[in-house]
Amino acid sequence: DQQVKQNSPSLSVQEGRISILNCDYTNSMFDYFLWYKKYPAEGPTFLISISSIKDKNEDGRFTVFLNKSAKHLSLHIVPSQPGDSAVYFCAASRADRGSTLGRLYFGRGTQLTVWP
Amino acid sequence: NAGVTQTPKFRVLKTGQSMTLLCAQDMNHEYMYWYRQDPGMGLRLIHYSVGEGTTAKGEVPDGYNVSRLKKQNFLLGLESAAPSQTSVYFCASSYDPAGLLNYNEQFFGPGTRLTVL
Repeated sequence: DQQVKQNSPSLSVQEGRISILNCDYTNSMFDYFLWYKKYPAEGPTFLISISSIKDKNEDGRFTVFLNKSAKHLSLHIVPSQPGDSAVYFCAASRADRGSTLGRLYFGRGTQLTVWP
Repeated sequence: NAGVTQTPKFRVLKTGQSMTLLCAQDMNHEYMYWYRQDPGMGLRLIHYSVGEGTTAKGEVPDGYNVSRLKKQNFLLGLESAAPSQTSVYFCASSYDPAGLLNYNEQFFGPGTRLTVL
């Protein structure tokens, strides 16, 4: 059962505009969320994260918003650039220790295309 | 630092053959992971290790075995390859998922593309 969902497999945005990538989760035990970016033929790379004690985290052009009551987070990229074209994975982790320690639960990814 | 490296980068197997994928990290990370990525399926965890000599099953462990004899290496084995194991395999490592900050930034290798005919 998919605990982290990215319901949009693809998103196309014009350069300079805002890109908004969405992610929903079902497990209320998740308390830390991450976004990874993946170019073709490369491994995913960490982009930005947010703790459940916050509702917003910003890093340059990238901002992640968390709505705990809705179990929803989003990644905003402003302004979007052609080099941002990649697959973006949302991931979540649990704080509890034990067998799930260290695990990340990934969504299926959203392919972002930024066109000139 | 090389970070996380994976060997080989590409491999083609025939059904029933066996092989081992090697992952190495030079960041002194405690935790290591093996994922597979298939079109439309995202990253699915196969096995992981929380320390030298320990391993645990992820969500899709069947048909795979792993070993973590040294802290810096994590091996993924396919004893009898099947076409369903055609995929891109990623190894990842992380340092302090048990820390007070409740986060886990995993560092990924470049991947191994495996085709089973």
